[in-house]
Amino acid sequence: EVQLVESGGGLVQPGRSLRLSCAASGFTFDDYAMHWVRQPPGKGLEWVAGISWDSSSIGSADSLKGRFTISRDNAKTSLYLQINSLRDEDTALYYCAKAYYGSGSYYSLFDYWGQGTLVTVSS
Amino acid sequence: EIVLTQSPGTLSLSPGERASLSCRASQSASGSDLAWYQQKPGQAPRLLIYGASNRATGIPDRFTGSGSGTDFTLTISRLEPEDFAVYYCQQYGSSPLTFGQGTRVEIK
Repeated sequence: EVQLVESGGGLVQPGRSLRLSCAASGFTFDDYAMHWVRQPPGKGLEWVAGISWDSSSIGSADSLKGRFTISRDNAKTSLYLQINSLRDEDTALYYCAKAYYGSGSYYSLFDYWGQGTLVTVSS
Repeated sequence: EIVLTQSPGTLSLSPGERASLSCRASQSASGSDLAWYQQKPGQAPRLLIYGASNRATGIPDRFTGSGSGTDFTLTISRLEPEDFAVYYCQQYGSSPLTFGQGTRVEIK
């Protein structure tokens, strides 16, 4: 059974940094690209960033470039998201999602999602 | 960036009725690189359709995806009580990957 478990969210002050983690199990982690998708309270889905199976191909939303960094550790079957200079508008539920297609770039749809970790940015 | 516009914003229908949801792309989504998801309150999204018209594993055949290029449609042939939810389209043919803003299907 595929499981994606996010952690690392919480209440953080504007301007601070945060590192989110996603522990994956139930599939061959290093066969698939992985992604972060966020959802502000009561709003729609926003793709944040994606990373190919071997970290050679990485992409992120245009509006988030520079503050968000995605990475992975295949030995630990884990995905990470480093968020710097947090802003109020970064308040959201952050989902870890598995790419549907194996190999290749990070361009993909998502077939499995975690339950999300909530990041609240407030002073 | 490909902008996806979903319409209508809200669809009010009764169980048993047919639902038709639209997703229009600002430019071609690499042919058929479009997916649909269903999201219920307090839950993560669930994949329904990929490649514009292929049902994901375990998805009932009352869900049908169609279209290509810039115009896509998700049809639910006969609404069941569990189908009332928010539906999102997503293109994955070009970066950045993008989602539509969602269509809420509510009970009339």
